[in-house]
Amino acid sequence: GQQVMQIPQYQHVQEGEDFTTYCNSSTTLSNIQWYKQRPGGHPVFLIQLVKSGEVKKQKRLTFQFGEAKKNSSLHITATQTTDVGTYFCAFGSSNTGKLIFGQGTTLQVKP
Amino acid sequence: NAGVTQTPKFRILKIGQSMTLQCTQDMNHNYMYWYRQDPGMGLKLIYYSVGAGITDKGEVPNGYNVSRSTTEDFPLRLELAAPSQTSVYFCASSLQGNYGYTFGSGTRLTVV
Repeated sequence: GQQVMQIPQYQHVQEGEDFTTYCNSSTTLSNIQWYKQRPGGHPVFLIQLVKSGEVKKQKRLTFQFGEAKKNSSLHITATQTTDVGTYFCAFGSSNTGKLIFGQGTTLQVKP
Repeated sequence: NAGVTQTPKFRILKIGQSMTLQCTQDMNHNYMYWYRQDPGMGLKLIYYSVGAGITDKGEVPNGYNVSRSTTEDFPLRLELAAPSQTSVYFCASSLQGNYGYTFGSGTRLTVV
């Protein structure tokens, strides 16, 4: 079935360094969502991208949706220890609302 | 608003036992979902519902059942528990399709 590949699986950075995770699909997506899950916690919705080439920012987080709507990225500038967790991309159906999640990228930040 | 509430938070079952994982939301969301998350893995959709009285299978429905008699509640039933059902179960809801999910805090289930 349709799925997305998320890379890298793990990333260790020094506090203050930048971080990027990528989500790639073989087919065109109607939309993409991003979630953050802290260790031991539940996923929390961050943002949804719908338009081709869309770029959205939330403080130090920048989200992009590719021109062909087949890929997306999340970039964190100057990571902090509070950024630790697993970041998931997910795409869905507008009719049913059901989301298919990527495998996630786990970010560790060394203080 | 409490959001999405799941009970219990933890449970240990013996092989062959049954249980119901409870999920309730107070946001008047039409859409509700059950996912399972295995260690180091993403989330897999078990069942979903687009409204009271309507349910449908997700990616991994075998061994589970659901019902949606009210907008607020979406219980997940495990019959004849198996070790392969050891996982963390998340319930989620959304106002409509293409809206972000609100997740519950999860139920950590171990089958021994």
